[in-house]
Amino acid sequence: DIQMTQSPSTLSASVGDRVTITCRASQSISSWLAWYQQKPGKAPKFLIYKASTLESGVPSRFSGSGSGTEFTLTISSLQPDDFATYYCQQYTSYSSITFGQGTLLELK
Amino acid sequence: EAQLVESGGGLVQPGGSLRLSCAASGFRFSTYSMNWVRQSPGKGLQWISYITGTSSIIYYADSVKGRFTISRDNAKNSLYLQMDSLRADDTAVYYCAKVGRFDGFDLWGQGTKVTVAS
Repeated sequence: DIQMTQSPSTLSASVGDRVTITCRASQSISSWLAWYQQKPGKAPKFLIYKASTLESGVPSRFSGSGSGTEFTLTISSLQPDDFATYYCQQYTSYSSITFGQGTLLELK
Repeated sequence: EAQLVESGGGLVQPGGSLRLSCAASGFRFSTYSMNWVRQSPGKGLQWISYITGTSSIIYYADSVKGRFTISRDNAKNSLYLQMDSLRADDTAVYYCAKVGRFDGFDLWGQGTKVTVAS
C-alpha cells in the first residue's frame, strides 16, 4: 500500500496567519490527491481534488499544490472556522486508498 | 440537496455481526461509486471498501477482507456493509462516502458508531 505521511502532526496558528501542511507519498501518485477538513464529531468535508482543484463552494483562501510524492495544502489567511483536522488522501487506485494520519490545526 | 444517512450501528459482542445501511438522496445514486470509511476513536480515517455503480467492481482493505461484504440496491438508493466476525479493533464510526465526478470523496454521511465489546 502507498503510505501517506503528513507534517506537522499539530500546527498552532493565529487568525490571519498563512499556514502550510505537507503530505508525502511513499511512491509517486501523480496528482491523485485529495484534501479533507474534519471538525470534532463531524464527517470529513471535501476541499481539494487532483492535488490543486478546489471543490465548488470551498473558500479561495484554500489552495493545494504538488505532484509525484510531495504535496501541500495552504490556507492563505486563517479564519476562525478553519481550526480543524486536515487529512490528505491518495486515490491512484480505488483498490487501495490511503489517508494521511491527519494534521490538527489549533489556535495558538 | 444531496445527502447520505447511515444507520445500523450499535454494540455487538466479539464474533458477532452487524449490517450497516446508507440511504442516499438528492443525486442519481446508481451512477456513482461508493465507499465505506471508518474512524476508530481518536484516530484517523481508514478506507475499508469500494463498490462501483453497477456493483461490477468491489474492493476491500486487507483488514476487513473475508469478514465484511459491501453491496448496494440502486432501486432503493441504498448502500450496505455486512460485517461478520467482528473484533474489538473494528470499533469505529463508519461513514459512507460518494466518489465525486472528478474523484475524491465529495459527499459523506454523518457516520454510525459501531462498538465491539463483551
